[in-house]
Amino acid sequence: DGGITQSPKYLFRKEGQNVTLSCEQNLNHDAMYWYRQDPGQGLRLIYYSQIVNDFQKGDIAEGYSVSREKKESFPLTVTSAQKNPTAFYLCASSIGLLNEQFFGPGTRLTVL
Amino acid sequence: GIQVEQSPPDLILQEGANSTLRCNFSDSVNNLQWFHQNPWGQLINLFYIPSGTKQNGRLSATTVATERYSLLYISSSQTTDSGVYFCAVGSEGAQKLVFGQGTRLTINP
Repeated sequence: DGGITQSPKYLFRKEGQNVTLSCEQNLNHDAMYWYRQDPGQGLRLIYYSQIVNDFQKGDIAEGYSVSREKKESFPLTVTSAQKNPTAFYLCASSIGLLNEQFFGPGTRLTVL
Repeated sequence: GIQVEQSPPDLILQEGANSTLRCNFSDSVNNLQWFHQNPWGQLINLFYIPSGTKQNGRLSATTVATERYSLLYISSSQTTDSGVYFCAVGSEGAQKLVFGQGTRLTINP
């Protein structure tokens, strides 16, 4: 099946710990994205990557880091510098930037 | 940057009713997508429609790019249509989608 997978579905961490969220796609898409959604809000862009070994900051990149070593994978690390990390995180991919985006099922992160 | 406004913010209807959701945007776009977010948070692609009209079953969408708005029509609503509907746009020269705040649709049996 072609699609985007995110793991884990739910994640609980203590304050001050770094945590890495996984995003994998087998759609052969070049572009990948990470979004954050807070309750009752729309999505905000954290980071995006147009191609392997390249990524750019989005609107709310502070406290987050990413890597793009493989076309299929775009992991997101939520660092201890992120002041309010509890949120729903969604990964997306597209053939190229501004082509139709497709989303994974999301990861709910709760920092205790 | 581009601004996206969705209306109404909330819509409550009885099963079988028709609904129209609106998305206004402040600049020229070369990408416009409509999504349905289900109760588990999954974003389901409904339409990729930077201009023109498309139909898919009971759903249809129209984007009038020159007047900077898009409409999503849902006919003969079912309870499974409940959820939040998002419009997202990409403006020329930008390299990202900007999301509206969503319309929360509740269909009562």
